[in-house]
Amino acid sequence: DAGVIQSPRHEVTEMGQEVTLRCKPISGHDYLFWYRQTMMRGLELLIYFNNNVPIDDSGMPEDRFSAKMPNASFSTLKIQPSEPRDSAVYFCASSSLQGTGKEQYFGPGTRLTVT
Amino acid sequence: AQSVTQLGSHVSVSEGALVLLRCNYSSSVPPYLFWYVQYPNQGLQLLLKYTTGATLVKGINGFEAEFKKSETSFHLTKPSAHMSDAAEYFCAVTRSGSARQLTFGSGTQLTVLP
Repeated sequence: DAGVIQSPRHEVTEMGQEVTLRCKPISGHDYLFWYRQTMMRGLELLIYFNNNVPIDDSGMPEDRFSAKMPNASFSTLKIQPSEPRDSAVYFCASSSLQGTGKEQYFGPGTRLTVT
Repeated sequence: AQSVTQLGSHVSVSEGALVLLRCNYSSSVPPYLFWYVQYPNQGLQLLLKYTTGATLVKGINGFEAEFKKSETSFHLTKPSAHMSDAAEYFCAVTRSGSARQLTFGSGTQLTVLP
């Protein structure tokens, strides 16, 4: 299996621009999670989906953040407009209802820098 | 609410020495517990997990952890550290009331000295 795929791996943008991060979960997984990692705040859960439906978005910091999952193999996290404080590494993770351990499998992350 | 405490944000050991990374949790229900490792510029990789059954769990790369309910602990150990073990390690616990959400600790950066 290819694992969780994220693109781009690095994104540098200017304040005010729209940023779209992409994620392809492991095939057959029915849960998808978006996390943000910073030195100050550690690993934060932003939102998660079950069967393409958003279940909990209480971690989304502001209305500037939005996430979609149009199908089982693709999700996006969008920031519009972006701000310097959004600079972080964003991870996507997926898990399977069929698994016994509830473990999540993480992608390599997207390092976002907003100048 | 669930919480995870990792004692020591930085731990240094000599190559060949015992590795001990501490994790304590609070949970109102029997938890599932995990250890993840993160190498520089990479995502988190599952090291091992405890679900039910045997309380001593073996993982990849020679790591193991023991679930001690009475101490609400899930410490990670490795008998002999290798230079390649240098990374950040995260302990995580399932959240009650949520089938899939995990609560992560703040992480422990492991340095292995030659």
